[in-house]
Amino acid sequence: AQSVAQPEDQVNVAEGNPLTVKCTYSVSGNPYLFWYVQYPNRGLQFLLKYITGDNLVKGSYGFEAEFNKSQTSFHLKKPSALVSDSALYFCAVRDNGYNKLIFGAGTRLAVHP
Amino acid sequence: DAGVIQSPRHEVTEMGQEVTLRCKPISGHDYLFWYRQTMMRGLELLIYFNNNVPIDDSGMPEDRFSAKMPNASFSTLKIQPSEPRDSAVYFCASSAGTGSEKLFFGSGTQLSVL
Repeated sequence: AQSVAQPEDQVNVAEGNPLTVKCTYSVSGNPYLFWYVQYPNRGLQFLLKYITGDNLVKGSYGFEAEFNKSQTSFHLKKPSALVSDSALYFCAVRDNGYNKLIFGAGTRLAVHP
Repeated sequence: DAGVIQSPRHEVTEMGQEVTLRCKPISGHDYLFWYRQTMMRGLELLIYFNNNVPIDDSGMPEDRFSAKMPNASFSTLKIQPSEPRDSAVYFCASSAGTGSEKLFFGSGTQLSVL
């Protein structure tokens, strides 16, 4: 079965520093991977996706993610964190053969001034 | 576009009562998903529809839960009877194309069952 794991419950970063939110995946077949962000009292918002092609995927709000097949990882990155990036981040994988997403447990990102 | 619209935003009810959550997807989207979010279990897919037809309801916890999509612009999730363990945030999401490419989520319904 398809699954993703987010090993960190929370990530703390100082404003202006680079950030990384980790995600590893387990799939059969080609992975379809996604990142979503959730701000307080809001629904999830799409950030970016990897289907095929370049291993570095660029998305919204200056975020990018690096697909690494050998390490089965899809880490979310941003070169310079903003306080406004503080939110809950979810990695997701498309269920093989089905049009639905399976989400990880989420990682809370806290960016401190 | 107003996005995915859910109502009510908050619902407080007593155990045993019927609860109905509502969702209006984005116009033109042919997939609709119902998710539940709790601290303990994270985000769980309950059911999804394609062109108003339920495709996968394997995530529906039990017979107390039912979902309908009578037309392309409206869906309901009903819990009857409700129990305290149903307390959660329920999200509706819609998408176009293959279904899972990019989901647009509503703001959710915070359900509290006392």
